[in-house]
Amino acid sequence: GAVVSQHPSRVICKSGTSVKIECRSLDFQATTMFWYRQFPKQSLMLMATSNEGSKATYEQGVEKDKFLINHASLTLSTLTVTSAHPEDSSFYICSATTGTAGWISTEAFFGQGTRLTVV
Amino acid sequence: GENVEQHPSTLSVQEGDSAVIKCTYSDSASNYFPWYKQELGKRPQLIIDIRSNVGEKKDQRIAVTLNKTAKHFSLHITETQPEDSAVYFCAATYNTDKLIFGTGTRLQVFP
Repeated sequence: GAVVSQHPSRVICKSGTSVKIECRSLDFQATTMFWYRQFPKQSLMLMATSNEGSKATYEQGVEKDKFLINHASLTLSTLTVTSAHPEDSSFYICSATTGTAGWISTEAFFGQGTRLTVV
Repeated sequence: GENVEQHPSTLSVQEGDSAVIKCTYSDSASNYFPWYKQELGKRPQLIIDIRSNVGEKKDQRIAVTLNKTAKHFSLHITETQPEDSAVYFCAATYNTDKLIFGTGTRLQVFP
């Protein structure tokens, strides 16, 4: 199957700093990428959907100024957690799909996730 | 918004028995229903999926059924093995451009 690489896999940062997480599709063009947040023993909560070349669509309750998403190319999307606080500590995971923009009917491939710890 | 409910949250079975996980969805326009398996500390991996024009799909020991009228879909694992132990997530498309996940089922298969 297609490969999605997410980097870094683990990051520890101080409160108030920003952290950037990268999600790359290595062998396919990902028209749409999704960013999820997963709490321990809980489900994947969709944060936002990003389409290449356009602004991300954020889910209700997700602060777009805090979680900046940039889908700069068909193979790269980034999530920046700005002014991080301890409550932002979580597992962040991206997925990418080859489905055409606005129509998801194909497999979504997941990155390996990033465990963010804010101290 | 779209809601995907998944039951049970935990499931323990003896090796060789069958396991069934059920999900319901709210958006009648949903047309794609994948199931993912997530092992501890790893990324979710697709194990099977079904589209709305099909009622059932099988792949070796794994099968998925879809009832569009009732907005139910289920995962069936037969002849379970200890390596089937993991968290399983169902998902459904929403507004055709989002993949919304169920709450997960922690499956434990005891030898």
